[in-house]
Amino acid sequence: QSALTQPASVSGSPGQSITISCTGTSSDVGGSNFVSWYQQHPDKAPKVVIHDVSDRPSGVSNRFSGSKSGNTASLTITGLQAEDEADYYCSAYRSSSTRVVFGGGTKVTVL
Amino acid sequence: QMQLVESGGGLVKPGGSLRLSCAASTSTFRDSYMTWFRQAPGRGLEFVSYISAGSTYTNYADSVKGRFTISRDNARSSLYLQMDSLRADDTAVYYCARGARFQLYYFDSWGQGIQVTVSS
Repeated sequence: QSALTQPASVSGSPGQSITISCTGTSSDVGGSNFVSWYQQHPDKAPKVVIHDVSDRPSGVSNRFSGSKSGNTASLTITGLQAEDEADYYCSAYRSSSTRVVFGGGTKVTVL
Repeated sequence: QMQLVESGGGLVKPGGSLRLSCAASTSTFRDSYMTWFRQAPGRGLEFVSYISAGSTYTNYADSVKGRFTISRDNARSSLYLQMDSLRADDTAVYYCARGARFQLYYFDSWGQGIQVTVSS
C-alpha cells in the first residue's frame, strides 16, 4: 500500500492532454512545497520531470506541468506524444523521519 | 548532474547476504543526501533507505529495518547497502539516487539499477 494514491492507468490520443492525480494527506502533499513527479520508461531508471510542485528541470519539455490543490497534486501532459508513454510516480517530502513517500505509479498509454 | 553506477547485485539464497555499491562521478557526492530505492517485478518504486551527507542521519523502510545497513565513503564517492537475512520479497531492481539541493526534496540523479534476486 503506497502512501500516496495515484490512478493505475490513464490514456489519451496523440495531441490530447491528460492529467494524473496524486492524493496524500496534510502531512505530505498538503503540507509540502516539495512534490515531485518521475517518468520511468520500461527497464530504465526514473527521471524527474517536475519538482517543487510545478518546476520543470532543464531539458524537460514544457508540455509537462504540475500543480497542487489541498492534499492532491497533479501532473498534466499536454500535446500527448508517443514518447510520453511510460509510468509516472509522484513523491512528496515529509518533515517527519520518514521524509520520502511515493505513489504507486500511473501507467500512461498513448492510444 | 551526477553519474551513478551500481554494482554488487546478483542471485543469492534466502537468508544470505549481499552488498551493493554505488559509485558517484562528482565530488558533490560528499555534500549530498543519498538514497536507495527498489522496484520489485511489475511493481512501483519503493523507498529503501537514506543517509545524510556526513552519515549522521539514516532511515530505513519498515520492510528492511534491522536487516539492511546503509553507509557511505565520501573519500571514495561511494554509497553502500549491506543486505542481510535476504528474503524472496527483497527481489527487485535496486537504484541509488541523489537528493537534489543537498536535501531529500526530490531526486535528480539516478543509477541505472542493479538486479537482486533472492531464490533457492
